[in-house]
Amino acid sequence: GQQLNQSPQSMFIQEGEDVSMNCTSSSIFNTWLWYKQDPGEGPVLLIALYKAGELTSNGRLTAQFGITRKDSFLNISASIPSDVGIYFCAGQNYGGSQGNLIFGKGTKLSVKP
Amino acid sequence: DSGVTQTPKHLITATGQRVTLRCSPRSGDLSVYWYQQSLDQGLQFLIQYYNGEERAKGNILERFSAQQFPDLHSELNLSSLELGDSALYFCASTQRPAGSLNGYTFGSGTRLTVV
Repeated sequence: GQQLNQSPQSMFIQEGEDVSMNCTSSSIFNTWLWYKQDPGEGPVLLIALYKAGELTSNGRLTAQFGITRKDSFLNISASIPSDVGIYFCAGQNYGGSQGNLIFGKGTKLSVKP
Repeated sequence: DSGVTQTPKHLITATGQRVTLRCSPRSGDLSVYWYQQSLDQGLQFLIQYYNGEERAKGNILERFSAQQFPDLHSELNLSSLELGDSALYFCASTQRPAGSLNGYTFGSGTRLTVV
């Protein structure tokens, strides 16, 4: 099925480092979302982006909706151990005939204290 | 607690068997989505129901079916199970039929293991 290209697949970083991950698509979306999944849990929404070019922050997290509407990135600054988990990007055409989210394969983040 | 309830949390069954996974959406949400998460495939959209009617279909196998009941809970039925069906199955809900500006609210998932 349709999926987004998310990279990197995994990251091993030292506590305090900044992290960057991105997502690209061959299709355009009118909404981009970033989720985090902890082990044994469902994905939890971190940031939602609604407009091409939009830059949005949520604490140490910053995400941008690409101008072409086909890409997005997520930055995490000054990482801490609880940032460990899998981060997913998701594209959505809200209000369209199909509002279902299309997900990337995820970026697995490991943080060394 | 996200408000989306999935049962059971874990399920172990043999190949060829049939199982039913259950989802109760968040209060006020009319739309239910089912996703399958395999180790190497990420989250794959299976099917969506809105207010009892099927609204969208993704990569759902013919051996799988779903329905949404008048009380809005949904069930995903998986039959003639194969080893490759082992995965996490997530349910998510939204209020409206065409997604949500705030994304979806996911349940904690059902881990299915087929042996």
